[in-house]
Amino acid sequence: DAGVIQSPRHEVTEMGQEVTLRCKPISGHDYLFWYRQTMMRGLELLIYFNNNVPIDDSGMPEDRFSAKMPNASFSTLKIQPSEPRDSAVYFCASRAGISPLHFGNGTRLTVT
Amino acid sequence: DAKTTQPTSMDCAEGRAANLPCNHSTISGNEYVYWYRQIHSQGPQYIIHGLKNNETNEMASLIITEDRKSSTLILPHATLRDTAVYYCIVRANSGGSNYKLTFGKGTLLTVNP
Repeated sequence: DAGVIQSPRHEVTEMGQEVTLRCKPISGHDYLFWYRQTMMRGLELLIYFNNNVPIDDSGMPEDRFSAKMPNASFSTLKIQPSEPRDSAVYFCASRAGISPLHFGNGTRLTVT
Repeated sequence: DAKTTQPTSMDCAEGRAANLPCNHSTISGNEYVYWYRQIHSQGPQYIIHGLKNNETNEMASLIITEDRKSSTLILPHATLRDTAVYYCIVRANSGGSNYKLTFGKGTLLTVNP
């Protein structure tokens, strides 16, 4: 079991650029979550999927953020255009049913 | 999810037991107590969870009071690698909220040599 895999580990980009974060959940897990962590706001749930279908995106900050899950083994979180206030660590997590969440090691995004 | 209260920080000597408290006085009957930890630069890691009985696994023990209004996570022999932020979360495992895990500020546990 390789765990939840996120890429890239670090991303530095300029304001206005498009950013795409990637996540491979644990095989067999039917729930996938995207969280964002900052010093000020802690860990915030952005969106989650069940069986590849977005269920709740009420945590997505604004229309600049979008997430997709084209299949059970891959999800993306896209920010377009990026802004400095989007700088944070973005975590992907997955789980099977009501079992505990398994988190990836995150993508540290810096927008200059 | 019920609100939890944890101390901001705690210290523990290496090799000693670390006892991390959590208050959850508004917990509902169907809500579980979950503990996660986050080591610097890593994602949160699941530790243990329970409903009303005490639980133990290879990582820790969870003691829940009889009225379920508080709990204690016990790391029996803390090591330097246990230095992390520990999050106590209460959440139902059924109904519409079962997807959502809401993290508070947690307790920064520092294990000292």
